[in-house]
Amino acid sequence: DAGVTQSPTHLIKTRGQQVTLRCSPKSGHDTVSWYQQALGQGPQFIFQYYEEEERQRGNFPDRFSGHQFPNYSSELNVNALLLGDSALYLCASSSTWNTEAFFGQGTRLTVV
Amino acid sequence: GDSVTQMEGPVTLSEEAFLTINCTYTATGYPSLFWYVQYPGEGLQLLLKATKADDKGSNKGFEATYRKETTSFHLEKGSVQVSDSAVYFCALSDGQYTGANSKLTFGKGITLSVRP
Repeated sequence: DAGVTQSPTHLIKTRGQQVTLRCSPKSGHDTVSWYQQALGQGPQFIFQYYEEEERQRGNFPDRFSGHQFPNYSSELNVNALLLGDSALYLCASSSTWNTEAFFGQGTRLTVV
Repeated sequence: GDSVTQMEGPVTLSEEAFLTINCTYTATGYPSLFWYVQYPGEGLQLLLKATKADDKGSNKGFEATYRKETTSFHLEKGSVQVSDSAVYFCALSDGQYTGANSKLTFGKGITLSVRP
């Protein structure tokens, strides 16, 4: 079982650009959540996808958007990047009625 | 809204010392509580969990008890090892499960360093 996989591992972008991060959930999982972890902070919930729909959203601007595909994989898109978007982006997968979320190793995004 | 407060860090201990990391929470309803651990360069791993009041979660020598009366979920270990050096996060979920319609709210985390 490959677990939760995220790509790319590291990414450097210029302010104003757009970025897409990808996540493949653990086998058997149907729910994907995205978190932003700034340096020295705990992860902050961005949004959650289930059945290809955004089910919940945290306090993040509309520049952050996502998508879930029929195979349950997911993308996180960030438009008009700001320096403050530099962070580790974590994807977590889970299944309905399961008490544990499994996290990927994250994508380290640096905006310069 | 929901929130999790962890004690300020970092924490440095000698091997075999006793560990306590404090965690308190604010939530409506009946959240589930978790401790996650993050080793350098890695994602989060679930360490232990408790889903209702008075439940005790335990794993790898770590324990935490869900105390509803004090809204706390303190992490303890009787004898730490160098390999326990990591960042520890307390978290709660706003539903009984972390599947659909549930999200995790994390504390800021605390760095534990254990010296030989």
